[in-house]
Amino acid sequence: DADVTQTPRNRITKTGKRIMLECSQTKGHDRMYWYRQDPGLGLQLIYYSFDVKDINKGEISDGYSVSRQAQAKFSLSLESAIPNQTALYFCATSDGTVNQPQHFGDGTRLSIL
Amino acid sequence: ELKVEQNPLFLSMQEGKNYTIYCNYSTTSDRLYWYRQDPGKSLESLFVLLSNGAVKQEGRLMASLDTKARLSTLHITAAVHDLSATYFCAVDDSGGSNYKLTFGKGTLLTVNP
Repeated sequence: DADVTQTPRNRITKTGKRIMLECSQTKGHDRMYWYRQDPGLGLQLIYYSFDVKDINKGEISDGYSVSRQAQAKFSLSLESAIPNQTALYFCATSDGTVNQPQHFGDGTRLSIL
Repeated sequence: ELKVEQNPLFLSMQEGKNYTIYCNYSTTSDRLYWYRQDPGKSLESLFVLLSNGAVKQEGRLMASLDTKARLSTLHITAAVHDLSATYFCAVDDSGGSNYKLTFGKGTLLTVNP
């Protein structure tokens, strides 16, 4: 089983719909992250959380919100989806030590029509 | 604002040849991470470089970090088809707290027979 699980893996929806992407992890890490990947642009940080009560905006948080329901669960919501939010979304976790990389889920491919 | 630039962005090479991918970054940091991504897949950690002069090797890949030049290199020796993937470097932009990574745009490597 994957250590970092994202659901759904693929989603097609319409403009204006509310969408929730979910991430759960079994690594026991305190830190969780949501990234967005667009072709040719690398990854951009949307939100990150150090624990259940500590949630922070990343560089592209506009149009997104998050919820940290438990240490192991971190959800990303698009309140009213728009086509330019079509992208590949990744959840990642880390234990906060510099000699350990962030661990990524398999991604959610989101298409907004 | 930290900028991370990779070059080349596209690299087509023949099996058996050597080549280097470069990762330049714009502010002081001594924490740099290399990841590999296969098409449609997650990001897999390759190397963690944590100090000036750090060198790590795994199989046909070797990564190094020169913090004074703000430069990391990923050297490929005697390329094989299985190395075809997109390679990302990411720089820790959080002053050592390891919570914020800034990614390069990635280098798409294609190894031809």
